[in-house]
Amino acid sequence: DSGVTQTPKHLITATGQRVTLRCSPRSGDLSVYWYQQSLDQGLQFLIQYYNGEERAKGNILERFSAQQFPDLHSELNLSSLELGDSALYFCASSVQPGLAGTGELFFGEGSRLTVL
Amino acid sequence: TQLLEQSPQFLSIQEGENLTVYCNSSSVFSSLQWYRQEPGEGPVLLVTVVTGGEVKKLKRLTFQFGDARKDSSLHITAAQPGDTGLYLCAGAMTGTASKLTFGTGTRLQVTL
Repeated sequence: DSGVTQTPKHLITATGQRVTLRCSPRSGDLSVYWYQQSLDQGLQFLIQYYNGEERAKGNILERFSAQQFPDLHSELNLSSLELGDSALYFCASSVQPGLAGTGELFFGEGSRLTVL
Repeated sequence: TQLLEQSPQFLSIQEGENLTVYCNSSSVFSSLQWYRQEPGEGPVLLVTVVTGGEVKKLKRLTFQFGDARKDSSLHITAAQPGDTGLYLCAGAMTGTASKLTFGTGTRLQVTL
């Protein structure tokens, strides 16, 4: 158990819909990262928040948005869903704002999104 | 474009065999990590290497960071079924330390 909690574990929805994925980081971790894992693209970095502020942005589509709340939990909002958005979405947390040196990411078990 | 290419993509071996997984890039990384991911779970960190030429051992697993910090290898001695999983290398680039770039992955299956 990494200490990172993600809900829901599985989600099936239709194209054009909007979903929200939730993540609670490990106790004490201020950084939250979102990753998308698909069979053809591997694990792709989407976005990072540190203590409520956006810290780094990766390959996140404009239809996707995220935020980190004062209690440090984070939500990833996916809208106007397309078939290609079907993937595993992972949240990870770390203590530090960056991963230089020996910074470690602790991953949740992921949310599997299926868009039909 | 994947910055980190892993090879092989798939590996199926028998218990007791040795294997090496490679992680290659044309970019220089300030640090490189190896993770293992099992079905239904998120990746779990195995090791972090930060110095060019560094070698780290974790029981039967040996990790090496290339001298130029552009590549890494993972060697497993006497593989066991418990080693089965997806192995991912991940690099942090100087100046973009918040963004960890993951490799393409190597799926290992060890059978009895």
